[in-house]
Amino acid sequence: DAKTTQPPSMDCAEGRAANLPCNHSTISGNEYVYWYRQIHSQGPQYIIHGLKNNETNEMASLIITEDRKSSTLILPHATLRDTAVYYCIAKQRNTDKLIFGTGTRLQVFP
Amino acid sequence: DAGVIQSPRHEVTEMGQEVTLRCKPISGHNSLFWYRQTMMRGLELLIYFNNNVPIDDSGMPEDRFSAKMPNASFSTLKIQPSEPRDSAVYFCASSSRETQYFGPGTRLLVL
Repeated sequence: DAKTTQPPSMDCAEGRAANLPCNHSTISGNEYVYWYRQIHSQGPQYIIHGLKNNETNEMASLIITEDRKSSTLILPHATLRDTAVYYCIAKQRNTDKLIFGTGTRLQVFP
Repeated sequence: DAGVIQSPRHEVTEMGQEVTLRCKPISGHNSLFWYRQTMMRGLELLIYFNNNVPIDDSGMPEDRFSAKMPNASFSTLKIQPSEPRDSAVYFCASSSRETQYFGPGTRLLVL
């Protein structure tokens, strides 16, 4: 599985957009980009995933660069409840395994 | 749906004792995963099952750990004998169509 690199921490003001970057320069053509988050003391929660097109759901948007070497998770209007560790994962299509890295700790402040 | 159910939510035991963690996956999901999370090592995949069959147990730390899935609605992770270094939060997850849903975890403390 491709290695992903994320900044260890970020801050965001409540109500503003939170843009979380992820680098996956060695990603292969059969690997999806997945995002999960983990709010303190809870199990990880699925957010969104994509292959090469941009994706949007009720939680977030995922922007994947054309060369697929990086992506950005966008929380359009961050709230205090979005404070969590966000994990970017490159997952192969033919496996169910998720390999979690250290993620980005997002702190949303009032 | 109640989501993935894990029990117990908290477990405190003494070194050498047997510990059994339980998981009920979401109905209809055909894959089940066991993870362990510690401050030092983060979130690690221990083992996963597909259609009740173990597919990859390469993350199981040693022979003291074993996992079973006797049917589609139940799985156990057993540690025998337990050691203080096994103290961690153990998560169970189930999936269908490539999205994993995690349970609330079991917080294990081995004294």
